[in-house]
Amino acid sequence: SQQGEEDPQALSIQEGENATMNCSYKTSINNLQWYRQNSGRGLVHLILIRSNEREKHSGRLRVTLDTSKKSSSLLITASRAADTASYFCATAINTGTASKLTFGTGTRLQVTL
Amino acid sequence: NAGVMQNPRHLVRRRGQEARLRCSPMKGHSHVYWYRQLPEEGLKFMVYLQKENIIDESGMPKERFSAEFPKEGPSILRIQQVVRGDSAAYFCASSPSSGPSEQYFGPGTRLTVT
Repeated sequence: SQQGEEDPQALSIQEGENATMNCSYKTSINNLQWYRQNSGRGLVHLILIRSNEREKHSGRLRVTLDTSKKSSSLLITASRAADTASYFCATAINTGTASKLTFGTGTRLQVTL
Repeated sequence: NAGVMQNPRHLVRRRGQEARLRCSPMKGHSHVYWYRQLPEEGLKFMVYLQKENIIDESGMPKERFSAEFPKEGPSILRIQQVVRGDSAAYFCASSPSSGPSEQYFGPGTRLTVT
């Protein structure tokens, strides 16, 4: 299976509610990143958390990382309709000079008014 | 500061034709990555290049696919003799260094093979 797998695959909430997405991975990582993709668009970087960090905040976003469980979560507080998008976690494994990202399959978030 | 640029945004090719996808990294970035995204799936790494060098091509299909990043000009992903299974969105990303840092993505090229 994939290095990064998000859960749930799809999430529908009402505006103002919080949205939580989870990501699991299999191998040791250097860092884990979360990206957002609006339908038919490119990816926008949201937040990066290093393997020696446990929690990070950016505006309405809160990311946690548990390296012992090889999992991460993304919390979006007070969601807005504009948060509707697909969210992907990506792990970075620094092997020599390579630093490719391995993406999960994503969580599709729908925020309704 | 312009972001990562890709062109064309949409490309339609018949089976057997060649597809050329271009990527201009952000100014000051010398590391380029290509990813492919099939419908309803995440992105899959294809290749990582620096100027005039292929660093990691572990995600590239063995045949028909090639990539380059010349000293001057954009990075090119070339697909020869396209087949329907090549239909996907191809994204380019760039970063300023080789470390496992944030990558900046372009808008993608959507390739449709008819």
